[in-house]
Amino acid sequence: DSGVTQTPKHLITATGQRVTLRCSPRSGDLSVYWYQQSLDQGLQFLIQYYNGEERAKGNILERFSAQQFPDLHSELNLSSLELGDSALYFCASSVEGRLAGGDTQYFGPGTRLTVL
Amino acid sequence: DAKTTQPPSMDCAEGRAANLPCNHSTISGNEYVYWYRQIHSQGPQYIIHGLKNNETNEMASLIITEDRKSSTLILPHATLRDTAVYYCIVPEYGNKLVFGAGTILRVKS
Repeated sequence: DSGVTQTPKHLITATGQRVTLRCSPRSGDLSVYWYQQSLDQGLQFLIQYYNGEERAKGNILERFSAQQFPDLHSELNLSSLELGDSALYFCASSVEGRLAGGDTQYFGPGTRLTVL
Repeated sequence: DAKTTQPPSMDCAEGRAANLPCNHSTISGNEYVYWYRQIHSQGPQYIIHGLKNNETNEMASLIITEDRKSSTLILPHATLRDTAVYYCIVPEYGNKLVFGAGTILRVKS
């Protein structure tokens, strides 16, 4: 158990819908990261927040957005869902948000999104 | 693009040491090498990381060559539960973990 929690574990929805994925970081961690893992793409970095502020952006679609709240939990919002958005979505957290300093990311168990 | 190169797959006998190599020839002097593994569709699990010196923890040992262009992850006594995809990662721009294809390790009884 990494200490990172994600809800829900599974989500099934229809094309065109909007969903929200939630992540609670480990106690003491200030930074949250979101990753997407689909069958044909592998693990892809989406976005990073540090203490409520966006710090880095990866291959995140405009239909996707995220935020980190004052209590440090984070939400990933996916809208106008398409079949290709079906994937595992992982959240990770770290203390400082800077791997260059030897900081470590710990991953949650993920949310499996199925778009029908 | 990933900055590391790993063999696509390896087999190891249960109870033996598993040695997983990784090449990172373009690594900079202050960049760390991280190792993660992913068992089936679970969240990636942190194993170990290092900068210059060899590192050991309860899960594994990390041996980094003196020129830092390659490293080896050692699982001293592999079990069936160590069957997983192992990722060697040098973070990009200091923050981003870029996962390549990794090495599929199969531990066989």
